[in-house]
Amino acid sequence: DGGITQSPKYLFRKEGQNVTLSCEQNLNHDAMYWYRQDPGQGLRLIYYSQIVNDFQKGDIAEGYSVSREKKESFPLTVTSAQKNPTAFYLCASSIVLGQADYGYTFGSGTRLTVV
Amino acid sequence: AQKITQTQPGMFVQEKEAVTLDCTYDTSDQSYGLFWYKQPSSGEMIFLIYQGSYDEQNATEGRYSLNFQKARKSANLVISASQLGDSAMYFCAMRENSGYALNFGKGTSLLVTP
Repeated sequence: DGGITQSPKYLFRKEGQNVTLSCEQNLNHDAMYWYRQDPGQGLRLIYYSQIVNDFQKGDIAEGYSVSREKKESFPLTVTSAQKNPTAFYLCASSIVLGQADYGYTFGSGTRLTVV
Repeated sequence: AQKITQTQPGMFVQEKEAVTLDCTYDTSDQSYGLFWYKQPSSGEMIFLIYQGSYDEQNATEGRYSLNFQKARKSANLVISASQLGDSAMYFCAMRENSGYALNFGKGTSLLVTP
């Protein structure tokens, strides 16, 4: 079955460490996105990529980095510069269809806790 | 500025009753899409329904319908015949033609009671 796989489901990190969250899709979607979710805040966009080897900052990119070397993969690195990284992270993908988009698909999320 | 506003942090509804979750949006684009997602306690985002700005009829998907009032910039989700499994967070989102990703509201927590 096609879908998005995020791993791990739970992740613990010590302060000062970088950590990478995995996101893989087999839907043949061109676009991929990373969102952060905090209680009462909804989802906020961190980074997005419309094509391989290209990505753009979203609304809260500070302290995060991404890469898009393959169409299927869009890993997110939470760096030590991110001041408050404890959150729920969701990866998504979509077919870019010109004037309108359909079918945003989300992964099951990674819950990151800094200890 | 907030592009999607969901004014109801929490809602209660009795099983088998209908419930309306409010969503208003702000955009100057003529072409845009509106989405509703359900997020159960497990965390995954489940797509419920989509409405395009040029669609003349309100979208419907099973027990879900979207009350789209373009002039008022509102896109309320109506859930008919509520079930206990409908208890979850519900998010309204918009994709503008000039934008690059979905903008989400802060969500409404729905609790269905027996």
